[in-house]
Amino acid sequence: QVQLVQSGAEVKKPGSSVKVSCKASGGTFTSYAISWVRQAPGQGLEWMGGIIPLFGTANYAQKFQGRVTVTTDESTSTAYMELSSLRSEDTAVYYCARVGIVPAALSFDYWGQGTLVTVSS
Amino acid sequence: QAGLTQPPSVSKGLRQTATLTCTGNSNNVGNQGAAWLQQHQGHPPKLLSYRNNNRPSGISERFSASRSGNTASLTITGLQPEDEADYYCSAWDSSLSAWVFGGGTKLTVL
Repeated sequence: QVQLVQSGAEVKKPGSSVKVSCKASGGTFTSYAISWVRQAPGQGLEWMGGIIPLFGTANYAQKFQGRVTVTTDESTSTAYMELSSLRSEDTAVYYCARVGIVPAALSFDYWGQGTLVTVSS
Repeated sequence: QAGLTQPPSVSKGLRQTATLTCTGNSNNVGNQGAAWLQQHQGHPPKLLSYRNNNRPSGISERFSASRSGNTASLTITGLQPEDEADYYCSAWDSSLSAWVFGGGTKLTVL
């Protein structure tokens, strides 16, 4: 059974950075991609970016270009999402999700439990 | 970033049928089809269908999806109280090289 387990809640100051981890188990880490999706309080889902661990290639939503970095550590089957220059509007629950290496494949079938990031002075 | 369009809310009675819609364009829904996700308050989303009408194992046959042109639909038959949730559509946008989501539809079961 595939599981994605994320790191715990964070409280950050405006202007700082946050790094959230997502540890995968129960599957082959390099056989799929990982996407990061966030959800602000009372709002919908927003795709931030993703990475294909097999190739180490990442792509990002235009909105977050230059501010988000997605990486992986194959040795621990862990993906990371780092968001910099935090502002109050970045307060949200951040999810990692498994997606297919090609978009046409089964995607978003497994999700992490979510990590609440609160940005406050 | 352009997203997909969903009605904000839909209300239907117990045991009735609800049809939720998701409108995109030829670069996303019209190209790769859409996935549908269900989210209960305080929980991660759950995949209901992908590429229009493929259901992951364990998903009830009461949930069925389809697509016509650039609009995807999710039909839920025999509505149950536990179906009350937020529903999101998602699709890969080939022009943006990005996943896009709809704004979500809140389904109320009366």
